[in-house]
Parts: sequence; C-alpha cells; structure tokens
Amino acid sequence: KNQVEQSPQSLIILEGKNCTLQCNYTVSPFSNLRWYKQDTGRGPVSLTIMTFSENTKSNGRYTATLDADTKQSSLHITASQLSDSASYICVVSGSYNTDKLIFGTGTRLQVFP
Amino acid sequence: EPEVTQTPSHQVTQMGQEVILRCVPISNHLYFYWYRQILGQKVEFLVSFYNNEISEKSEIFDDQFSVERPDGSNFTLKIRSTKLEDSAMYFCASPWASGNNEQFFGPGTRLTVL
Repeated sequence: KNQVEQSPQSLIILEGKNCTLQCNYTVSPFSNLRWYKQDTGRGPVSLTIMTFSENTKSNGRYTATLDADTKQSSLHITASQLSDSASYICVVSGSYNTDKLIFGTGTRLQVFP
Repeated sequence: EPEVTQTPSHQVTQMGQEVILRCVPISNHLYFYWYRQILGQKVEFLVSFYNNEISEKSEIFDDQFSVERPDGSNFTLKIRSTKLEDSAMYFCASPWASGNNEQFFGPGTRLTVL
C-alpha cells in the first residue's frame, strides 16, 4: 500500500534553534518528493521538490534531503523563526503517468520565543 | 508568484443540499486539481481535470461529486446532496510550468455541513 509516514507528529522548539523533520514512504514507483508548509486554515505552499536522482535541495533556511534507496527524506530548518510555526507535509508523487499526490499527515511545528 | 483563488472562503450548508465551490487557477493553464482535507487529517486527492475532461479521480470522488469548467477561467467542484462527512477544507491546485509539475494551492474553501 502506498503510504507516507512522518515523524515526529508534533515538535516544539525555541526561536533560533534548528530542527529536522522526517519522512518515510512506501510509494512505488516513485517520481518525486515534495515538502509543503501549511499554515492553519490555509493551502499548502511548496518548499522543495526532488526527483529520485537528487539528494538534497535548499530553499533559504529549508534544506531537504532524499535517500531513494531507503525511501527516506528529511527537512532541516535552520535558525527557526516564529513564522515557521506551521504544519510541514511530505508529499510523494508515484509516477509521471499519474496526477495523484500522496500526502503524509504532517509534522506540526511550533516555534516559541 | 502565480496565484490560485477560491470562493467562497467559507460555506455553510444543510445536509442534503447542493454546493458549488469555485476556483480560478493560474491563467491559461489547462490542468487543475481538487483536494480535500478533513479537520485534523491529511490532504487527500479528489480529482484532476485536463482540457475539459477528468484526467484521474480517487475512490473518494464518487457520483456525488462533479467538476466543470463553466467558462474560460473558472473551475467548479459540485457536491450533490451533501453529507455531514463532507465537512472539510477543499483546495484546488494548479501546476506551474515546470518539469516537476509543482502544484500551487489555493487558500481553500471551508465547507461545513449541518
């Protein structure tokens, strides 16, 4: 069964600190993996997209890694800010022949001053 | 940055009523997608629509649902005879013109069925 699992479910950190969120997937075949940020009551906003041949991709303070062999990805947030408080969702696309994205349940990040 | 807009932002309806959710995707794009997110749960794919036809749909997208492109710019998701369990956020998404098919999501419509 195609699934995307994320950990931790929630995370609390202090402003300025770094954190790493994890994603494991069992989707096959695999096309690409995306990380989205979703503020409460808003639509997801794309942070990074990686194909199977990419190991890492950065977008400002966000750095995503991908290990297609172990089917794991991580999202590292550097020097966290209060505005980073949101849900971070790992999303996998199974194939270029399908439009269907498979979403993880997300990690709820709270950044406190 | 490209923008996808949705209306209304919040819709309250009685069980059994029909609702129409509207989306204006990135201009001149032929693809768009509808997703659903029940409160506290993950986002779920409903349907993709390309060039006036359904391209792919999930098992959630049953006969209760339909999608249309009533004019050149708007796309709609119609839910006939709404049920309590249809209460959710409904997002439309439109891809950006990149090789990775990045999808830009609208702000969502919160549907509440009473």
